[in-house]
Amino acid sequence: NAGVTQTPKFRILKIGQSMTLQCTQDMNHNYMYWYRQDPGMGLKLIYYSVGAGITDKGEVPNGYNVSRSTTEDFPLRLELAAPSQTSVYFCAIKTRGTDTQYFGPGTRLTVL
Amino acid sequence: DAKTTQPTSMDCAEGRAANLPCNHSTISGNEYVYWYRQIHSQGPQYIIHGLKNNETNEMASLIITEDRKSSTLILPHATLRDTAVYYCIVRDSGGTYKYIFGTGTRLKVLA
Repeated sequence: NAGVTQTPKFRILKIGQSMTLQCTQDMNHNYMYWYRQDPGMGLKLIYYSVGAGITDKGEVPNGYNVSRSTTEDFPLRLELAAPSQTSVYFCAIKTRGTDTQYFGPGTRLTVL
Repeated sequence: DAKTTQPTSMDCAEGRAANLPCNHSTISGNEYVYWYRQIHSQGPQYIIHGLKNNETNEMASLIITEDRKSSTLILPHATLRDTAVYYCIVRDSGGTYKYIFGTGTRLKVLA
């Protein structure tokens, strides 16, 4: 997974709870991404970051927040979990000089 | 936004070539086309990318039409392990580093 680590692997939340999905990379890449993938569907971009302190919205940012205080970490925050956020969440990095992305193993989230 | 269009699903006999098409008619002149695949629920895996010329690596070949409005990923000798969802993507045309994944093509390799 090109040094991309995601935790936790699985999580079940109750409606209204909050949590942070962690994404860490150890290769000093500037570009990092959060995607979600609903069952049977393609990936949707939630947020991305082009470097520490810089984040921007993707296609489906509502209900999520991100921060990028360091190059290594790009956490994704859910403040008020809803059943519609049941999904698999993938973090990815983009290597320098190319647009090639490498993905983490994913976090499977269920909101009940 | 740059978008791609792919068939929903395809079947291919084991040992035969799998040809997966993709339309990207709004691609900008300097944007690359990227192909990824996703096996089961794993994270997508990079396969190949190209700009204008045909490209080949150990995994696949990529044929891009001269007008760059479409491309074809070729798996020359498909195996059962190539059964996966294949995504063709381009960078968002707004000059950002956003990448738009479509729903991909579900390739099933048949024994």
